[in-house]
Amino acid sequence: EAGVAQSPRYKIIEKRQSVAFWCNPISGHATLYWYQQILGQGPKLLIQFQNNGVVDDSQLPKDRFSAERLKGVDSTLKIQPAKLEDSAVYLCASSWRGQGALLAKNIQYFGAGTRLSVL
Amino acid sequence: AQTVTQSQPEMSVQEAETVTLSCTYDTSESDYYLFWYKQPPSRQMILVIRQEAYKQQNATENRFSVNFQKAAKSFSLKISDSQLGDAAMYFCAYVPKAAGNKLTFGGGTRVLVKP
Repeated sequence: EAGVAQSPRYKIIEKRQSVAFWCNPISGHATLYWYQQILGQGPKLLIQFQNNGVVDDSQLPKDRFSAERLKGVDSTLKIQPAKLEDSAVYLCASSWRGQGALLAKNIQYFGAGTRLSVL
Repeated sequence: AQTVTQSQPEMSVQEAETVTLSCTYDTSESDYYLFWYKQPPSRQMILVIRQEAYKQQNATENRFSVNFQKAAKSFSLKISDSQLGDAAMYFCAYVPKAAGNKLTFGGGTRVLVKP
């Protein structure tokens, strides 16, 4: 079974530029998550999708971050414009289901992430 | 708000020895899940072990086991017979069963394995 795919692996940009990250979840997984992991910290959830609908985006800085999952499969996370403090690893995860599901069905599987450096 | 605390920034262990990582959490929920994830330098978070709060029995996965103390809100991970491949960051995570699938992570513990 193929895992969660993310691209690019690395991205270096200057502040005020735009950047986009792509995620392809495990086939059949309805729930997709984007996390931000700042160096030396644990991941923090930015946004959670159930199919193509947003379940939780309470931690997403909506003035500069946006995410979409138009067909309920792939997802894109965008930052526009980037700030120095956005330097982090952006992790995508997916699970078969989300809320209310049995543990076996809502375990999150992670991709390898994109390391973003904003100069 | 739920919080997860890992008080050990770094732990060192000799190959073949045992190391225990600490995790405490704060919640008012009674039904939840707890996880330990491993993050090697490749950055991919790998699920090591999971525990359901209503299960009294501690989870075990090969050389990995947990000590779950619900009343104390403690969830420690024991790695037995440590191997060089166990070197990584380890994150404790919590998710309440009734409130979606939003994982709350601790700050992580780096495990160094000495040959």
